Amino acid sequence: AQSVTQLDSQVPVFEEAPVELRCNYSSSVSVYLFWYVQYPNQGLQLLLKYLSGSTLVESINGFEAEFNKSQTSFHLRKPSVHISDTAEYFCAVSETIKAAGNKLTFGGGTRVLVKP
Amino acid sequence: DGGITQSPKYLFRKEGQNVTLSCEQNLNHDAMYWYRQDPGQGLRLIYYSQIVNDFQKGDIAEGYSVSREKKESFPLTVTSAQKNPTAFYLCASSRTGPSYGYTFGSGTRLTVV
Repeated sequence: AQSVTQLDSQVPVFEEAPVELRCNYSSSVSVYLFWYVQYPNQGLQLLLKYLSGSTLVESINGFEAEFNKSQTSFHLRKPSVHISDTAEYFCAVSETIKAAGNKLTFGGGTRVLVKP
Repeated sequence: DGGITQSPKYLFRKEGQNVTLSCEQNLNHDAMYWYRQDPGQGLRLIYYSQIVNDFQKGDIAEGYSVSREKKESFPLTVTSAQKNPTAFYLCASSRTGPSYGYTFGSGTRLTVV
């Protein structure tokens, strides 16, 4: 069975500084990878996903994530954060085999607090 | 616009009462899910349904019940048997297949007093 570990539960960062959120996964088969963002008192929104092809994927609001198969990682980065990036971020993985169905396994979340 | 609607956004109930949380989607998704979120504990799966009239228990199903009589609707009942029901509840849906991910509703915050 797959599992997802987000190594940091909280990440404080100053405005305009870079941030990296770490995500490692475990699976015996190929996977698809997702990052979701949750703003306070809201549901989760898809930020970006890796399905195949280029290992670097980008979102429309400046985040990027790189799939590293050898290290089984999918870390999320942003070179310069804004106050509005304060949120909780969830990494998730699904296995590509048909038998896995739609099952998405989530990490425990990383809370990002951007300070002025 | 297509999406998932959870209602109400805030819900207050007295201890010992059953309460039903609504989840409706117009995305034509086959699968639907209920998660519970507590501070510092991430997302925990309560129930999921991959097709109408069928559903399976997740990791923390005790004290909860669901139905899936229509493709669009997946209501969750929090029963009096749930020992600690105060939490943020999230509903999600997905297309069939592992590459699509989930679409989430905006959540219902249940407070039991």
